[in-house]
Amino acid sequence: AQKVTQAQTEISVVEKEDVTLDCVYETRDTTYYLFWYKQPPSGELVFLIRRNSFDEQNEISGRYSWNFQKSTSSFNFTITASQVVDSAVYFCALSEENSGGGADGLTFGKGTHLIIQP
Amino acid sequence: EPEVTQTPSHQVTQMGQEVILRCVPISNHLYFYWYRQILGQKVEFLVSFYNNEISEKSEIFDDQFSVERPDGSNFTLKIRSTKLEDSAMYFCASWGGSYEQYFGPGTRLTVT
Repeated sequence: AQKVTQAQTEISVVEKEDVTLDCVYETRDTTYYLFWYKQPPSGELVFLIRRNSFDEQNEISGRYSWNFQKSTSSFNFTITASQVVDSAVYFCALSEENSGGGADGLTFGKGTHLIIQP
Repeated sequence: EPEVTQTPSHQVTQMGQEVILRCVPISNHLYFYWYRQILGQKVEFLVSFYNNEISEKSEIFDDQFSVERPDGSNFTLKIRSTKLEDSAMYFCASWGGSYEQYFGPGTRLTVT
């Protein structure tokens, strides 16, 4: 069975600080996908990134960066120079590839509530 | 940019009533999903649908729930006899084989 653990329930930092959100996953499959979603107070789920299990290259997109390490089953997310608009709940999620080549439903972590104080 | 739409945005119903939540997935997508999020909790997978049948379902998706693609564009989630604990945000998503599952804006279901 697959599982995603986000141990940090809530993080509060002052604007312009860097912050890292942790995500640890469990899966028996060799082919899987990892995701990060942002959920602002308005409630929608905003896609941030998807990573394939066979691609361990780290990624940077503006102030956002992701560190994928299969050896520790982690997919951590760092926001550099945080801004108030980054305040939201952030979810890490995992999907396995099904036998038909499609994507199974996502298994989400419990989320980390990030508060950026001005 | 293509988007998934959901109606209504908010549904209030009485316990024991049937409710149907509607979704219009992205037109050329083949996989469809329903998720729910109880207030303040994580997003939970309910069911996936492919080729006009359920391909996977979670333990939450019991006999009270059903899904349907009645006309080739809509994708519906029916709850037969709602309970207080069904109160949640329900998200529809679709996937076309590319990068991400596209989520709709959600329907907030309140059971009184």
